[in-house]
Formats: sequence, structure tokens, C-alpha cells
Amino acid sequence: QKEVEQDPGPLSVPEGAIVSLNCTYSNSAFQYFMWYRQYSRKGPELLMYTYSSGNKEDGRFTAQVDKSSKYISLFIRDSQPSDSATYLCAVTGGSNYKLTFGKGTLLTVNP
Amino acid sequence: DTGVSQDPRHKITKRGQNVTFRCDPISEHNRLYWYRQTLGQGPEFLTYFQNEAQLEKSRLLSDRFSAERPKGSFSTLEIQRTEQGDSAMYLCASSPEVVAHYGYTFGSGTRLTVV
Repeated sequence: QKEVEQDPGPLSVPEGAIVSLNCTYSNSAFQYFMWYRQYSRKGPELLMYTYSSGNKEDGRFTAQVDKSSKYISLFIRDSQPSDSATYLCAVTGGSNYKLTFGKGTLLTVNP
Repeated sequence: DTGVSQDPRHKITKRGQNVTFRCDPISEHNRLYWYRQTLGQGPEFLTYFQNEAQLEKSRLLSDRFSAERPKGSFSTLEIQRTEQGDSAMYLCASSPEVVAHYGYTFGSGTRLTVV
């Protein structure tokens, strides 16, 4: 079993839709949970991070972590064509801050 | 400072040749990381430095791979006797030691194609 599982999609939605992206993880030692966005031929850029369980909102984006079920989610409201990218979940918990990534979900928002 | 810079952006090499990539981190970041990303996969950790010290190496980093960070500034990643399986995007990232886990800044990567 991989440490982080993420459905690779692809996911295609119309503009304005609510998008839900999810990951599960296996190691209960993970404490920091991040979502990265990666445009084609670019490096990942940090979108949101959460420490431990709970919700965090930033504009149209909401990140949720449920440590009891080892489940992390990213919701995008009012999706825009510019949101089209690969979304990667990442987790870490050790002192060396090594990130463990999911496979990434390719999202396309159609105008 | 314009972020993490990687050079070259693309490299095509013949199997068996050696290649070297360079990463220039954000100047005030003392941690530097190398990751590898293959098509359809998330980045996988290779190694990281705190200042000039290489503190951890993944099992993915075979003996053909070597990384250095002289003087704690830029870093190089060398692959000797390249194989087709080395074809991937090599990503460099840097972070301050404090808040390292969410303070990563990635470069745009070096895409290696071994033919």
C-alpha cells in the first residue's frame, strides 16, 4: 500500500462547478497536510496547508483534514478555466520535512 | 530574488552519458531538496541538504547519482552512465529551516530525456 493514495482522474468540469479532490494516507504520524497545484511543465506551487485535523478556507479554496479516517480533501468553489492544472496532495510529519506526494489529479475546467 | 532557479530546463542525452543539473535556491533558505517526478506520478524525494550538509538520501538515489551543495548555496545533481529509466523531471526546492514543511518553493524543474 502506498503511503498516500490519490485518484489521478482526469476530472473535467464546467466553469462554475464545485470541485472535490481527495486523498487518503496510511501513516498516522503525518501531521502536516498540503495541497499543491502544478501547471504543465512547471514545478508544484503550494496552494494550502493544514496542521492536524480541521478546515481551512482561502478564497474559493477549502482544505479539510480528518485524521480519524486519514482522509484529506480540497474543495474549489466557482471553478475557473485558470484552475485547470494537476492538484497534488502532500503529507509530512517527520523532522526532516520530507514531503510524500500523491499521484496528482488532472483537473480541466471547461469554459 | 526571483525564486528557485534550475538549469537547464531540458536535457536530452544518450544512454551511458553523464549529466549534471544545477539548482539555485532562494538565497535566505538554508534547506535544499531534490525530487524526481515521472509522468503521471507525484514528485518523489531524492535527497536534502541543510546548508552544505547532505542529511538524507532516498533509496531511489542509486550509486550513479550524486548531489552536492558546496558552501551551502547552489546545488548540483549528477547522474553518471544514464539509463532510459532516468528519464524524468528533476525538481529542486528550497525552504527556510523554520516552517520548512509548508515553506517549500519549487523550481520549474529540469526535464531529462535519455535516448
